[in-house]
Amino acid sequence: QKEVEQNSGPLSVPEGAIASLNCTYSDRGSQSFFWYRQYSGKSPELIMSIYSNGDKEDGRFTAQLNKASQYVSLLIRDSQPSDSATYLCAVNMMGYQKVTFGTGTKLQVIP
Amino acid sequence: ETGVTQTPRHLVMGMTNKKSLKCEQHLGHNAMYWYKQSAKKPLELMFVYNFKEQTENNSVPSRFSPECPNSSHLFLHLHTLQPEDSALYLCASSQGPGAGVVETQYFGPGTRLLVL
Repeated sequence: QKEVEQNSGPLSVPEGAIASLNCTYSDRGSQSFFWYRQYSGKSPELIMSIYSNGDKEDGRFTAQLNKASQYVSLLIRDSQPSDSATYLCAVNMMGYQKVTFGTGTKLQVIP
Repeated sequence: ETGVTQTPRHLVMGMTNKKSLKCEQHLGHNAMYWYKQSAKKPLELMFVYNFKEQTENNSVPSRFSPECPNSSHLFLHLHTLQPEDSALYLCASSQGPGAGVVETQYFGPGTRLLVL
């Protein structure tokens, strides 16, 4: 079983729609969760971090965490073509430096 | 700009060459990392340095040799690489252990390496 699992996509959504990106993880001790955005040929850029169960909102982005189900998601409201990128889910244990990344989900926002 | 810079941005080298990748962070962080990103594979952690001391080597072949002269600079020395080492090499930094906060990592732009 992969430690951090994401659907590779591509996930295609029309402009203005909500994009929903999902991630599951295997280590129940994980306490910190991150979403990074990576444009083609560029480095990962941190979008959101979440540590507690529930929702965390930042602008058009909402991260959702359910530790019981070992599931974390990212919702992008009012999707824009500029949101087209690969979204990486990453997890680690609080206080540890080894962050485990998923392979990423490629999002395509169709104008 | 994340405050982490890397040079060169692109590198082509033969299998017998020796080259070095450089990373510099301007964030006042105490931890620095090297990652490898290959197509269709997750980011792979290679090395971790805290306060310029290596604290993790993730079973990386000896043809990759890291060096951390201080908390702001990190190098990756490359020697007799193989074509399968072609990848994007990313440097990252974070506040470091004992900072009392979650170790959010900030990435540099990466070096795209091609080994012929």
